[in-house]
Amino acid sequence: QVQLVESGGGVVQPGRSLRLSCAASGFTFSSYGMHWVRQAPGKGLEWVAVTWYDGSIKYYADSVKGRLSVSRDNSRNTLDLQMNSLRVEDTAVYYCARVGDDGYSFDYWGQGTLVTVSS
Amino acid sequence: QSALTQPRSVSGSPGQSVTMSCTGTSSDVGGYNYVSWYQQHPGKAPKLMIYDVSKRPSGVPDRFSGSKSGNTASLTISGLQAEDETDYYCCSYAGSYTWVFGGGTKLTVL
Repeated sequence: QVQLVESGGGVVQPGRSLRLSCAASGFTFSSYGMHWVRQAPGKGLEWVAVTWYDGSIKYYADSVKGRLSVSRDNSRNTLDLQMNSLRVEDTAVYYCARVGDDGYSFDYWGQGTLVTVSS
Repeated sequence: QSALTQPRSVSGSPGQSVTMSCTGTSSDVGGYNYVSWYQQHPGKAPKLMIYDVSKRPSGVPDRFSGSKSGNTASLTISGLQAEDETDYYCCSYAGSYTWVFGGGTKLTVL
């Protein structure tokens, strides 16, 4: 069965960096695009970034452009999110999600990893 | 990339039907037939319930249905059950390989 497991969250000071990972299993990872979606405490979902199945194309929400960077290693079935110049407003649970077969939905999600940006 | 507008809450009695809306613009909901809906129980990951406006993934009960008119999409849940009580989020493709979510609707089963 499809499994997505995020890791790497924690408490970090504003301006510092953090790297999240998402380990995928149960499907052919190299055939699917992948998203990062975040959810601030008590708030709604916010789309963050998407990467194509081969990592050749990446797009970002305006709120994170230039600071967050998505990458993938299809040989290790992992998706990463490099988070630089972190801000208090980046505090959220970060989910990785698989692109659905239609190309526009999010059909499987991980359980999320919490990032807290605080001094 | 402004969030889609969803009512903060809706409610219905067991066995009844409830419909929740998701309003965007011609640049997202109105411009593409790529609206999806997600159910999220507290502390859990979102679950895909509807995609491409009205399609149901396998395993999702046919009590859940989706539709769209203009810039507004809707999720209808018929035959309400206690287990349906939770948060629901809509999402739309917004062009240029970006997506936008709604703020979420809390469904209460009375």
